[in-house]
Amino acid sequence: NFMLTQPHSVSESPGKTVTISCTRSSGSIVSNYVQWYQVRPGSSPATVIYENKQRPSGVPARFSGSVDSSANSASLTISGLKPEDEADYYCQSYESRNLVFGGGTKLTVL
Amino acid sequence: QVQLQESGPRLVQPSGTLSLTCAVSSDSIRNTNWWKWVRQSPGKGLEWIGELYHTGETHYNPSLGSRVTISVDKSKNQLSLKLTSVTAADTALYYCARVGAYGDYFGAPFDIWGRGTMVTVSS
Repeated sequence: NFMLTQPHSVSESPGKTVTISCTRSSGSIVSNYVQWYQVRPGSSPATVIYENKQRPSGVPARFSGSVDSSANSASLTISGLKPEDEADYYCQSYESRNLVFGGGTKLTVL
Repeated sequence: QVQLQESGPRLVQPSGTLSLTCAVSSDSIRNTNWWKWVRQSPGKGLEWIGELYHTGETHYNPSLGSRVTISVDKSKNQLSLKLTSVTAADTALYYCARVGAYGDYFGAPFDIWGRGTMVTVSS
C-alpha cells in the first residue's frame, strides 16, 4: 500500500497563484493517474482535474494539473485565485485494486 | 442528470452494524459500471471504503478488512453498504458516488456524488 502526502494548508491572496503538491510514498506517481477533488464547506466533492492534467467541462482553465516523476509527486495549480476557490483539495490515485486519497489541503484565499 | 441519495440510521450502537442505501434516480443503476462508497470523519479527510463493479466484483479498503460489504439491488435501483462491528472511529459522513463521465476503470475519477449522510456511532 502507498500513501499520498499533501500539505495540511496553504494560503494566498486573490489574483495570485498557488500550487498544492501530492507526493506518493512508494511506487511511481506515473504508474497510475492522479485525480483532484475540491470540497467546499457543506458541499459534496467535485472533480477539478482528472488523469493528471485533464479538466472537466465547467472547471475554469485557472485550474491545472501536472506530474513530476523525479519528485514522485503530482501538483494542482490554481492561478488568478478567487474567493470561491477557498476549499479543501484532495488528490487521489490507485493501484492493484486499492484506491487512496491524500490527506487533503485546506486552501485559504486571504 | 443522475442523482444519488444516501439514507439510513443516523445513530448506530457500538459493535453494531451500519447499513446504508444509495438510491439512484434519473437513470438505471445498470448503466454505470463502477459504484463507490467514500466517507469523511469529522475533521478528517476523505477515505475510500470500497466499490462494486457491474459484474458483481467488489474491492474494499484493506483497513476495513472483512467488516465491509457493498452490494446492489438492481430491482430497486439502489446501492447498499454494510459495515459491521462499528466503533466511534466509524462516525463519519458517508457518500455514495459513481464513475462514468471521466473514465471507466478502477481508480477513475468520480463524476457524481450523493449529498452524504452523517452516521454517528454512540451508545
